[in-house]
Amino acid sequence: QSVLTQPPSASGTPGQRITISCSGSSSNIGSNYVFWYQQLPGTAPQLLVYRNNDRPSGAPDRFSVSKSGTSASLAISGLRSEDEGDYYCAAWDDSLGGQVFGGGTKLTVL
Amino acid sequence: QVQLVESGGGVVQPGRSLRLSCAASGFTFSSYAMHWVRQAPGKGLEWVAVISYDGRKKNYADSVKGRFTISRDNSHNTLDLHMNSLRREDTAIFYCARDLASDFWSGYPGGINFWGQGTLVTVSS
Repeated sequence: QSVLTQPPSASGTPGQRITISCSGSSSNIGSNYVFWYQQLPGTAPQLLVYRNNDRPSGAPDRFSVSKSGTSASLAISGLRSEDEGDYYCAAWDDSLGGQVFGGGTKLTVL
Repeated sequence: QVQLVESGGGVVQPGRSLRLSCAASGFTFSSYAMHWVRQAPGKGLEWVAVISYDGRKKNYADSVKGRFTISRDNSHNTLDLHMNSLRREDTAIFYCARDLASDFWSGYPGGINFWGQGTLVTVSS
């Protein structure tokens, strides 16, 4: 059971815009920044977008984030086949004193 | 560029110990907090432990507290994870990861921004 709650799966067609939700509590998302990671099949996770739509070098701006209260979401516009993989949200949890992750959302591009 | 290379994984019997290491390069290692995160086969990510830039502060997930110890050697740019009393449920890929920040506290603006490729630990008799 993950501290942050994500839907287990999401899907869309090429070019479509989809969103992935991440629900937490006042001790994590409600009081700290949210980070989103992409894990392509057989590879390590990579930071995708974080805080107020900050992106690491090379990360496309097709990925954007929003946050409201104790929930956050990742939006992917212009869906591409290479976006297929697992997506995780994460945040620091003040009560646990550590990072907490969502259970991951498997994205399928139809 | 930032590189994190884990080593030390393998097959170990339940109840035994194992030490993982992470060699860091491409950045000023002593300026960043570091984490270990694991991923059981076919499962999601689970945070394991964090250590501040100077090694003075450490926090652990409840699932490993009292069994695992995180440490760092800033003179050699290495991060370690000493794992004792291993259980079958500790079987996972263990990732070394770098934080944005040097330290951690309630409400800090940091988080993991770089990951190593991971090392597989299998606990089995």
